[in-house]
Amino acid sequence: AQSVSQHNHHVILSEAASLELGCNYSYGGTVNLFWYVQYPGQHLQLLLKYFSGDPLVKGIKGFEAEFIKSKFSFNLRKPSVQWSDTAEYFCAVIPDDNYGQNFVFGPGTRLSVLP
Amino acid sequence: DGGITQSPKYLFRKEGQNVTLSCEQNLNHDAMYWYRQDPGQGLRLIYYSQIVNDFQKGDIAEGYSVSREKKESFPLTVTSAQKNPTAFYLCASSAGTANYGYTFGSGTRLTVV
Repeated sequence: AQSVSQHNHHVILSEAASLELGCNYSYGGTVNLFWYVQYPGQHLQLLLKYFSGDPLVKGIKGFEAEFIKSKFSFNLRKPSVQWSDTAEYFCAVIPDDNYGQNFVFGPGTRLSVLP
Repeated sequence: DGGITQSPKYLFRKEGQNVTLSCEQNLNHDAMYWYRQDPGQGLRLIYYSQIVNDFQKGDIAEGYSVSREKKESFPLTVTSAQKNPTAFYLCASSAGTANYGYTFGSGTRLTVV
């Protein structure tokens, strides 16, 4: 069965610091990869996704993620965080080769940005 | 605006009672999903439905039941058989298969006392 791990449970940064949230998955085949964000009191929103092509994908609000197939990783990055980035971030994976499958979500990383 | 509506936002029930959580979407999406979110465990799939009148168990279906009589609606019943029902429940939908990505509702926080 597929699984997704996220390296950190809670990350605390000051504004303007750089961010990298780790995500690793276990699945031997081709996958589609997603990052979702849940701002306090709001519903989950899609931040970015990777299906194929350029392994560096750009999402909303200045976020980007890099797919490294050899490392089974899809880390999320932002060069300079803002207080408004305080949220919970979920990495999610779905196999590309079986349309009967569903998402597998990581446990989430809570990001707190201090003003 | 199109979206997913979950109601109520907060729900309290006594132990031993069944409770039904509502999920309605006006996105014309075929597939709908129920997830449970617990701190440190991410989202776990309870049930999903890819077409009307059909649904499948997810990873943690025990103690839950669903119905899909209409495309727009996918209610979840938390039964008294669910050992640890207090949680945050999220409903989602997708246009086709899950590869298209999900649209999520705002969730229902269920507390059983």
